[in-house]
Amino acid sequence: AAGVIQSPRHLIKEKRETATLKCYPIPRHDTVYWYQQGPGQDPQFLISFYEKMQSDKGSIPDRFSAQQFSDYHSELNMSSLELGDSALYFCASSLRTSGSAGNEQFFGPGTRLTVL
Amino acid sequence: DQQVKQNSPSLSVQEGRISILNCDYTNSMFDYFLWYKKYPAEGPTFLISISSIKDKNEDGRFTVFLNKSAKHLSLHIVPSQPGDSAVYFCAAAGRGYSGGGADGLTFGKGTHLIIQP
Repeated sequence: AAGVIQSPRHLIKEKRETATLKCYPIPRHDTVYWYQQGPGQDPQFLISFYEKMQSDKGSIPDRFSAQQFSDYHSELNMSSLELGDSALYFCASSLRTSGSAGNEQFFGPGTRLTVL
Repeated sequence: DQQVKQNSPSLSVQEGRISILNCDYTNSMFDYFLWYKKYPAEGPTFLISISSIKDKNEDGRFTVFLNKSAKHLSLHIVPSQPGDSAVYFCAAAGRGYSGGGADGLTFGKGTHLIIQP
């Protein structure tokens, strides 16, 4: 079965640079979520989109922005990168219209961002 | 302030025995709970979930129990197999739009389960 695809898998940037992470949800899933997992930490929710509109917002820094496109893929844009932004970034997707089961989020393999 | 707590960073269980992973939560707005399994360098894999209107959900070797009054849930794996060795995350969701999922999940810090042969 098709899973969530994230690209790139690894990314190295320098301080103050920008980065763009991409996420392709499971086909027919209508909701996309972004999470950040620092070393030894649990995943922290950043932001979510349903039908191309922002639906929930977590601890996303103002330097970050995201959007969901007409084909349902999503991009997380990160500017003025800081050393502390080094983390694993996960994208997840779900089918919200399936009711409470829409809470079952399926995660991609993650993008490891290293900021030097 | 950790709203989802997994107080055991690690747990060692012998192959074939039962593994019990525990999770506590503090936010009474959570009404859907999930367990994920995670291997290093991979994304979390969904295992099993439970709605707050139930107290038990079973799927093969995995059973999740929910005690709402105690704000406690547990994941039972029986029998435990070597491939079950991984980090297990408990996660919770609030009341999303129309009862469906739209909220980000709140995760616990995970329990590293080690299955010994």
